[in-house]
Amino acid sequence: GENVEQHPSTLSVQEGDSAVIKCTYSDSASNYFPWYKQELGKGPQLIIDIRSNVGEKKDQRIAVTLNKTAKHFSLHITETQPEDSAVYFCAASFEGGNQFYFGTGTSLTVIP
Amino acid sequence: GAVVSQHPSWVICKSGTSVKIECRSLDFQATTMFWYRQFPKQSLMLMATSNEGSKATYEQGVEKDKFLINHASLTLSTLTVTSAHPEDSSFYICSAGISGRAYEQFFGPGTRLTVL
Repeated sequence: GENVEQHPSTLSVQEGDSAVIKCTYSDSASNYFPWYKQELGKGPQLIIDIRSNVGEKKDQRIAVTLNKTAKHFSLHITETQPEDSAVYFCAASFEGGNQFYFGTGTSLTVIP
Repeated sequence: GAVVSQHPSWVICKSGTSVKIECRSLDFQATTMFWYRQFPKQSLMLMATSNEGSKATYEQGVEKDKFLINHASLTLSTLTVTSAHPEDSSFYICSAGISGRAYEQFFGPGTRLTVL
């Protein structure tokens, strides 16, 4: 089955700096890669996703890049703000399937 | 976007009692619902997948007699933790989606269960 690894497990950045979180996956059949933000005591919220037919997707301060050959994808947050502090999870899935395979999570702290 | 609700948001119960958690898709019909368990500072662990009108499929290591899942309609799934013990204390999260369309899976806000 699919195995998703995520690094780093914790990340602290100064407000205004950029944050990068990286994930690798093992199953070349995976073709859908969402990123979720989870605040304390809440469920995960989808913040951005990418499909395997594109290499990069951007939404304001958030971007995701995908390298299919190397089987890794990354989340980039620019101009970080304190409200970006949360746990971020990557996931991999086959678009025609059901199950998500989640990474282990990254706790991001943005220091004012 | 699609909205998934869970009720209750938190519950405290005594050891040995049963607790029911509801998951509802508010503005769409969910053919598939998923139940996850999350321990503090850990990732989401899939417990089971349920399709409307059929029996749930449980992940390896999840006791189906302890975690009863019912998906009786396209908008409601329930998870019942039977004879709860302190080790069942956890954050339970459901997600709802349309079968075969993983990219349209939406998560609920979670339920914090504490068993005393």
